[in-house]
Amino acid sequence: AQSVTQLDSQVPVFEEAPVELRCNYSSSVSVYLFWYVQYPNQGLQLLLKYLSGSTLVKGINGFEAEFNKSQTSFHLRKPSVHISDTAEYFCAVRRSNFGNEKLTFGTGTRLTIIP
Amino acid sequence: DGGITQSPKYLFRKEGQNVTLSCEQNLNHDAMYWYRQDPGQGLRLIYYSQIVNDFQKGDIAEGYSVSREKKESFPLTVTSAQKNPTAFYLCASSPYDRPANTGELFFGEGSRLTVL
Repeated sequence: AQSVTQLDSQVPVFEEAPVELRCNYSSSVSVYLFWYVQYPNQGLQLLLKYLSGSTLVKGINGFEAEFNKSQTSFHLRKPSVHISDTAEYFCAVRRSNFGNEKLTFGTGTRLTIIP
Repeated sequence: DGGITQSPKYLFRKEGQNVTLSCEQNLNHDAMYWYRQDPGQGLRLIYYSQIVNDFQKGDIAEGYSVSREKKESFPLTVTSAQKNPTAFYLCASSPYDRPANTGELFFGEGSRLTVL
């Protein structure tokens, strides 16, 4: 089975500063990786996903993530955050050759933007 | 627009009462899921269904029940046996197109249940 670790439960960042939200996974086989965003009292919305190919993945709202196989990481970045980025962010993983397997989620990182 | 509709958005119930949360999708997805979300604990899988008239327990199924009589619908009943039912409940769906199944989930807006 695989697991996901989001190292920071809360990240405060000043508006217009860059941010990185960290995600590490454990799996000995190839994986699919996802970042979801959840605004207060709403469901989860897909930000971006890595399935194969280029290790730098661009998503919505100016976010991007880089898949690093050697470090088993999939960190999420944004060069300049906005107040509207305040939300909770979840990393998720699934082994790519296990068709019935469900996503495994991290415990989330709460991003707070300081004006 | 295609999507997942959960209702009600907010629900208050007295202790000991069963409650049913609705989840409907028009994405033509085969698989549907129910998750529970508590602060600081991420998402925990309650039940999932990959095909009509079939469903499996997730990690925290005790005190919950589901049915899957139609492809579009996957209601969740929180029974009086659930010891701590106050939580945010999320329904999700995914296509099940092997071999291209990536596991990507599409979520509804959630239902917040408060037991008084």
